[in-house]
Parts: sequence; C-alpha cells; structure tokens
Amino acid sequence: KQEVTQIPAALSVPEGENLVLNCSFTDSAIYNLQWFRQDPGKGLTSLLLIQSSQREQTSGRLNASLDKSSGRSTLYIAASQPGDSATYLCARRGGSEKLVFGKGTKLTVNP
Amino acid sequence: DAGVIQSPRHEVTEMGQEVTLRCKPISGHNSLFWYRQTMMRGLELLIYFNNNVPIDDSGMPEDRFSAKMPNASFSTLKIQPSEPRDSAVYFCASSPRGGINTGELFFGEGSRLTVL
Repeated sequence: KQEVTQIPAALSVPEGENLVLNCSFTDSAIYNLQWFRQDPGKGLTSLLLIQSSQREQTSGRLNASLDKSSGRSTLYIAASQPGDSATYLCARRGGSEKLVFGKGTKLTVNP
Repeated sequence: DAGVIQSPRHEVTEMGQEVTLRCKPISGHNSLFWYRQTMMRGLELLIYFNNNVPIDDSGMPEDRFSAKMPNASFSTLKIQPSEPRDSAVYFCASSPRGGINTGELFFGEGSRLTVL
C-alpha cells in the first residue's frame, strides 16, 4: 500500500525561525512530489512541485528537496512569519495520475 | 485564469436527498480529479478523468456516488441518496499535461457538504 507520512502532525515556532517539515513515502517509484498549503476552510494551494528527475525546487523563502532513494522530502521555510501559519501537505504521485496525500503538518508561527 | 471553480460552496441537506456538486476545471487542463476530505481520513481520491474519460473510480465509496464529465469544462459529482457519513469537504482539482507544470495539481475552494 502506498503511504505518505508527515511528522510532526503539528508544530509551533516563534516568528523568524527557520524550520523543516518532513514527508516520507513507502514507494520510491515516484513521478513527482508536490507540497501544498491549506488555510482553514480553504482549498489547497500548490507551493512547489518536484519532478522525479529533480532534487529540489525553490520559491521565495521555501525550498523543497526530494530524495527518492530514502523515500523522503523536506520543505524548508526560512525566516518564518505569522502568515505562514497553515497546514502543509505533501503528495506523492506514482506511475498513475493518482496523488497520495499525507495527513499534513499544522504549522503555527507565533508573533 | 479564474482557477478551478466549484459550486455550491456549502450544501446542507437531509438524509436521502440527492446532492450534485459541480466543477469547472482550469481551461486547457487535461485531467480532473474529485477528492473528499475529512478529519479522520484526510484527503481521499474518489475518481479522476483524463480528456473527459473516467480512468480510475476505485475510490468511489459506493454505488450511491457517481461522477460525469460531459465536456472539458464541466464535471459533476452526484450522491444519491445521501447519508450523514457523506458529510465532508469535496474538492475538485485539475492538472495540465505537458510543459514544466505537467502533473501539478490545482485545487478549487471545495464544497462543504453536511447531511443531516
């Protein structure tokens, strides 16, 4: 069974801290991995997409890496801000078009 | 582009009633997905279409659920009859094929369904 695990389920940090969110998956046959942000009562917003041929992607203060051999991806957030507070989900796409989602990490950045 | 558009945003209905959720994908996207999100189970894929053709409906929980995509710009998810356990947020997402964003998923705002 394909599984995607995100640890921790919740994280609270002070403003300005650099932080790392973790995502692990059981099947290393991966097509791409995508990180999303979800605000309460809202849909999912795509943050970064890493194709299987890539090792990392960057957008502003966000950097996502992919290590297929270990079945892990990390999302690095630099200089966190209260506006970064949200739930962050990773999703793995295998050979089909299905994305398998983790349960997410709920991030709170305290001013 | 307006993004993926879903309607209604909120639906409250009574058990046994028919529910129809609607989705307009991003223009030019070839793939469309229906997901359901609950606290207990997280995000679950119900069904997805490629070029308007259903490819995998193995996530559809029961025969009470059906989905159609009559053209490239419209899809529906129907529940008949609805039950309280169907209460969830239903998301539609679309994805392009080809180009640097191939396979990237774009979500709508969701339809929050409450079945009493």
